[in-house]
Amino acid sequence: DTAVSQTPKYLVTQMGNDKSIKCEQNLGHDTMYWYKQDSKKFLKIMFSYNNKELIINETVPNRFSPKSPDKAHLNLHINSLELGDSAVYFCASSQALRDQETQYFGPGTRLLVL
Amino acid sequence: AQSVTQLGSHVSVSEGALVLLRCNYSSSVPPYLFWYVQYPNQGLQLLLKYTTGATLVKGINGFEAEFKKSETSFHLTKPSAHMSDAAEYFCAVVTGFQKLVFGTGTRLLVSP
Repeated sequence: DTAVSQTPKYLVTQMGNDKSIKCEQNLGHDTMYWYKQDSKKFLKIMFSYNNKELIINETVPNRFSPKSPDKAHLNLHINSLELGDSAVYFCASSQALRDQETQYFGPGTRLLVL
Repeated sequence: AQSVTQLGSHVSVSEGALVLLRCNYSSSVPPYLFWYVQYPNQGLQLLLKYTTGATLVKGINGFEAEFKKSETSFHLTKPSAHMSDAAEYFCAVVTGFQKLVFGTGTRLLVSP
């Protein structure tokens, strides 16, 4: 049973295209996140949602639009893809919006923009 | 603003040797600190965390870390390295609203 799952695992696309990454968690958690890991392995938070409400939007270009249809899902849509968007995108979830909560990560989506 | 610094982008040890991965934090309030491990082509997995209470924290796979306020450190140790410990290790601090801020990571290499 996968706790946090992401689809697709790999995504190769051309500059200028629009793509979506889906995330689902079956842990019953209230809070979900998107992180970006660049080619140097640096991890940075992009967004967080709590009970479908946006909590953190970390100065991400507005080409990136998260959507949370319900507490178990947090999708990431990216418009007009650029070369610099190539990275690994991780979804995560935690039980609640408390600082001491553990965040559980998905396996990542490896995006390559050509 | 809270942050963490990981000293050494790569650490090499022999199998059976002590593992020591260094993490120093900067925080104006009592920090919540985490160590995560990332195996190749996988997501991150929590090794251990410090929130409050006992300053020596035991985690999975034989790892432990000690919170030292006087040294603003949260170093990760394991008495005896296994080949399977080879991975990328990330120290992180929470800055509020559960915003995890990660260090730059340390790659642990284990040789036979």
